[in-house]
Amino acid sequence: EPEVTQTPSHQVTQMGQEVILRCVPISNHLYFYWYRQILGQKVEFLVSFYNNEISEKSEIFDDQFSVERPDGSNFTLKIRSTKLEDSAMYFCASSLVRGDGLHFGNGTRLTVT
Amino acid sequence: SQQGEEDPQALSIQEGENATMNCSYKTSINNLQWYRQNSGRGLVHLILIRSNEREKHSGRLRVTLDTSKKSSSLLITASRAADTASYFCATDPRDDKIIFGKGTRLHILP
Repeated sequence: EPEVTQTPSHQVTQMGQEVILRCVPISNHLYFYWYRQILGQKVEFLVSFYNNEISEKSEIFDDQFSVERPDGSNFTLKIRSTKLEDSAMYFCASSLVRGDGLHFGNGTRLTVT
Repeated sequence: SQQGEEDPQALSIQEGENATMNCSYKTSINNLQWYRQNSGRGLVHLILIRSNEREKHSGRLRVTLDTSKKSSSLLITASRAADTASYFCATDPRDDKIIFGKGTRLHILP
């Protein structure tokens, strides 16, 4: 069964550094999402992306965050200048149809020191 | 604003018993979805119920939706050890922002 893959599985970075989290959604999917989860708590929406542009974003997704689909297969989340509070699991998800069930990757654990 | 809120926050039951989790939400929705998350892993989609449906079944899962009360329940029948996980409801409030609740941690006792 096709799956969403995320790399790396764990990223450690120093405060103030830029990080790029990578995702390969399921190949025929059209809707892409980033979520984050701090310490096994609630899953927080960051951003949704469709037709090469952001369709929705949350208050968390400020100008330090950006997303890109550079080549038709990868979907990346960039954090320009990481803060300690950005430490979390970051999940990528995709769906074929808007409002359909989401397919999640296994996440990237980001640790900011 | 927070959409889905699951209740209870944690639930421990004996293997073989039924587990019921509830979800309440605030605004109008297109559909409501339930997901499972095993520790340290991604979320797995379990079932989706549309706003014009009242009940849906999938294997040992039964989901109900009451749009007048803005609530849903997930019933897992004949629970197994492998059902131990966190369960989240997620609402699709008519925009492209699927919002998750805080989850219910289900622990199945042997």
